[in-house]
Amino acid sequence: GNSVTQMEGPVTLSEEAFLTINCTYTATGYPSLFWYVQYPGEGLQLLLKATKADDKGSNKGFEATYRKETTSFHLEKGSVQVSDSAVYFCALSAIGRDDKIIFGKGTRLHILP
Amino acid sequence: IAGITQAPTSQILAAGRRMTLRCTQDMRHNAMYWYRQDLGLGLRLIHYSNTAGTTGKGEVPDGYSVSRANTDDFPLTLASAVPSQTSVYFCASSDPGVVLSINEQFFGPGTRLTVL
Repeated sequence: GNSVTQMEGPVTLSEEAFLTINCTYTATGYPSLFWYVQYPGEGLQLLLKATKADDKGSNKGFEATYRKETTSFHLEKGSVQVSDSAVYFCALSAIGRDDKIIFGKGTRLHILP
Repeated sequence: IAGITQAPTSQILAAGRRMTLRCTQDMRHNAMYWYRQDLGLGLRLIHYSNTAGTTGKGEVPDGYSVSRANTDDFPLTLASAVPSQTSVYFCASSDPGVVLSINEQFFGPGTRLTVL
């Protein structure tokens, strides 16, 4: 079946450090891939997405590239800020009869000033 | 209203009591979902509805029921709450559109439920 595996946290970095959060997936066909972010006390919100191989999603300085050959969608940011502290979820949506999304377990990110 | 609202924001409930969590969206999305979020387990789908009048079971449906009488509302009911249902509950919606698989889900702010 379809699944998403992301690196366990928490991840703690200093401000302005480079960030990578790894995500790999298992799916039949050609899923769409997403990164969602959850700030403290809030619901999830879409950060970026990619719908086909080699697409790069980007938003708020974050980027992720859909790599079909490695079944990966790693999240990167060149210089993190304290305000990026949140929980990040990798997710996929596979073509089918319905629109359900499969989420990874989330990675908590702490940025120290 | 803009987006998805959930009520209550938080609730403490005695075991055995009945509880309904409310969810309303104003985006006219066809599909709606209920998730629970627990530390170390991520988000788990409880129930979903692809369109008004239909519902389906997710990954962890036991002890929960839903109804979808109209497009906007998707209440989640715990018939007899148990402590293991202590969690944060999120409602979400999406609009499949022409091409499935590329649609994002929009989430409400969550309900924090504690069952004692």
